[in-house]
Amino acid sequence: AQSVTQLDSHVSVSEGTPVLLRCNYSSSYSPSLFWYVQHPNKGLQLLLKYTSAATLVKGINGFEAEFKKSETSFHLTKPSAHMSDAAEYFCVVSEGGGSYIPTFGRGTSLIVHP
Amino acid sequence: NAGVTQTPKFRVLKTGQSMTLLCAQDMNHEYMYWYRQDPGMGLRLIHYSVGEGTTAKGEVPDGYNVSRLKKQNFLLGLESAAPSQTSVYFCASTKGTSGGSGNEQFFGPGTRLTVL
Repeated sequence: AQSVTQLDSHVSVSEGTPVLLRCNYSSSYSPSLFWYVQHPNKGLQLLLKYTSAATLVKGINGFEAEFKKSETSFHLTKPSAHMSDAAEYFCVVSEGGGSYIPTFGRGTSLIVHP
Repeated sequence: NAGVTQTPKFRVLKTGQSMTLLCAQDMNHEYMYWYRQDPGMGLRLIHYSVGEGTTAKGEVPDGYNVSRLKKQNFLLGLESAAPSQTSVYFCASTKGTSGGSGNEQFFGPGTRLTVL
């Protein structure tokens, strides 16, 4: 069985400071992991994904995430927040083994202050 | 490529009315999904399909039915709408293969449904 926990429902940062959004997962197989972003009143857009290649994954808009199997974590980071990063972020696990039914975290709302 | 499209974008129903939401994808994807999004709950899977002519229940299927008569279309039906079904509905699709982008989901823009 698979599950995902986003450890913070809200994260507040100032523009220009680092961003850290935390995600822990559980999976019976070698999982694929994703981060999606949703801007207000919009659909979901893929930020980045891990699929058993490099453990440090780079995504769009300067975001990156590191897969840590020993900690079952896939935290999302960005060195310097921009006002346009304010959005809802979802961590998603898909455990593979022939199944393509992902499980979504409950989301983390990123608030960026000027 | 239009990707994943949803119609309608907005709808207001009265309790007990019925409606159908249409999802279409032009990427020849095998898997299609219907989710609902409610504040603080993330996306919850209603129903999904692993190929033309197949459907399966997700996490919150009660009150909804689906059909996938054509590979490119996935319909979500509400037979008798209830206020608890007020939500934003998202459709998604994925190729359903390992490697590359085979398990990446592509999402539609959403349908905002209000049931009075």
